[in-house]
Amino acid sequence: QSALTQPASVSGSPGQSITISCTGTSSDVGGYSLVSWYQRHPGKAPKLIIFEVIRRPSGVSNRFSGSKSGNTASLTISGLQADDEADYYCSSYAGSGTYVVFGGGTKLTVL
Amino acid sequence: EEHLVETGGGLMQPGGSLRLSCAPSGFSVSNNYMNWVRQAPGKGLEWVSIINRDGSTYYADSVKGRFTFSRDNSRNTLYLQMNSLRAEDTAVYYCARDGPPGLGERRWAFDIWGPGTMVNVSS
Repeated sequence: QSALTQPASVSGSPGQSITISCTGTSSDVGGYSLVSWYQRHPGKAPKLIIFEVIRRPSGVSNRFSGSKSGNTASLTISGLQADDEADYYCSSYAGSGTYVVFGGGTKLTVL
Repeated sequence: EEHLVETGGGLMQPGGSLRLSCAPSGFSVSNNYMNWVRQAPGKGLEWVSIINRDGSTYYADSVKGRFTFSRDNSRNTLYLQMNSLRAEDTAVYYCARDGPPGLGERRWAFDIWGPGTMVNVSS
C-alpha cells in the first residue's frame, strides 16, 4: 500500500479538464512544499510535469497545473488531449528518515 | 541532451548480490543529487536511495544495511551495490536525477530518468 493515496482511475473527454488528488499527511504533503507529479506512458520512464507543488519544468505544457490544500495535493489537466492518456504519480518529501513517498498512481483515460 | 542509462540487472537467487550501474550523458554525477527509484511488478514507485553532492547517502528503510549507493567521479558513473537480495527486491530499478537543477538545494523531484534495468530475485 502506497503512502500517498490517489484515485485508481479518472477519465475525461477531449477538451475537458480533470483533477487528480493525492492525499498524504502532515508529515509529507502537508508539511512541505515539495510535491511532484509524474506522467508515465506505458513502457516509458516517468516524466516530471510538476515540482514544488506548482512549478512546471521547462517544456511542460501550461495545461498541467498543481496545487495543494492541507494534506492533499492536486494535479489539474485542462484541455485534455489524447496523448494525455497515461498513468500519473504524485510524490512528496517526507522528512529525514523516510525522505520520499509516492502515490499508487492514477490511470487517466481520455474518452 | 541529458540522459541516463542503467545497466547490470538480471536474475539472482535470494541472498545473492548484484551491482547496478548508471551512466549519465550531458551532465556530471558529482554536481547533482542522484537517486535510485524502483517499481516492483504490479506495484507503485518506491524511492530507494540518494547520493548527495557531498557524497553522503540516504536509504529507504527497506534497503538500509543491504544496499550501498556510490559514485566514481572519474568515470562519471553511479553504482548501486545490492547485497542480501530478497524476493521483494524484484523490480525495475531507475536511476533519476534530482531536479530541475537550481540554486543548490534538493528539490526531491526527479527530472531525468533512465529507461530502467530489471532485477529479478528468485530461486
